[in-house]
Amino acid sequence: DAMVIQNPRYQVTQFGKPVTLSCSQTLNHNVMYWYQQKSSQAPKLLFHYYDKDFNNEADTPDNFQSRRPNTSFCFLDIRSPGLGDAAMYLCATSRDTASSYEQYFGPGTRLTVT
Amino acid sequence: GQNIDQPTEMTATEGAIVQINCTYQTSGFNGLFWYQQHAGEAPTFLSYNVLDGLEEKGRFSSFLSRSKGYSYLLLKELQMKDSASYLCAVMDSNYQLIWGAGTKLIIKP
Repeated sequence: DAMVIQNPRYQVTQFGKPVTLSCSQTLNHNVMYWYQQKSSQAPKLLFHYYDKDFNNEADTPDNFQSRRPNTSFCFLDIRSPGLGDAAMYLCATSRDTASSYEQYFGPGTRLTVT
Repeated sequence: GQNIDQPTEMTATEGAIVQINCTYQTSGFNGLFWYQQHAGEAPTFLSYNVLDGLEEKGRFSSFLSRSKGYSYLLLKELQMKDSASYLCAVMDSNYQLIWGAGTKLIIKP
C-alpha cells in the first residue's frame, strides 16, 4: 500500500542534543510538509517542500531545519531541542499545493526532551 | 488575522447523530477540509467542500456556507470508534491550510 512512513515513532533526546526525524513516502507526491502538534492544539506548519523548493513559515524558529534529498525522503533536524519542542511531529504529503488535494499524514513521531 | 473556531469538546450517545460546527475567517477561501484524529495518531482525511451545500459520504456528511463562513460535520449512527478529535481546516487564498484546534468527540454507550 502507498503510504507515508515516519521513523522513529517515539524519540527521546536530551536538552540541547541535536535530533533528526525522518519521513518517507511511496505516493510519489510532489509536496512534503512538516507539522508540529502539541496536545489539544492545531497542527502548526513548520515548512514544506514542493519538489526541491523549500518554503519556510515565517514563525518557524531557526532551530528547525529540513532536508529533502529526493522525492521520497524528507528530514526534520532540530539543532538544539528545548523543553518547549516536545511535541508530536507530523509529516504529510500531497500531490500538489492547489486547493482540492488532501494531505496524507504519517503516523507521527512523538518527541520527548529530557 | 486568520481564525478557525470549533467547540473544544462534545459528548454524544452511541447510535445518535452529532453535528460539529466550524466557523472561519480567512484571507480568501479555496476549500474546507475535515480530518479525523484519534488520540496519539495522525489526522486522516474525511471530506472536502469548496462549493456551498452538503456532501454526503456514508455515515458522515459535511456542509458549507461560504457567505456565512460556516461548515459543519454531521456524523450519523455513532459508533464507539468515532470517538476522536475532528479538525476543520481552511485553505486560504495563498493555498495555505489554516487549521482549527479540533473538537474532541466523546461517545458514550
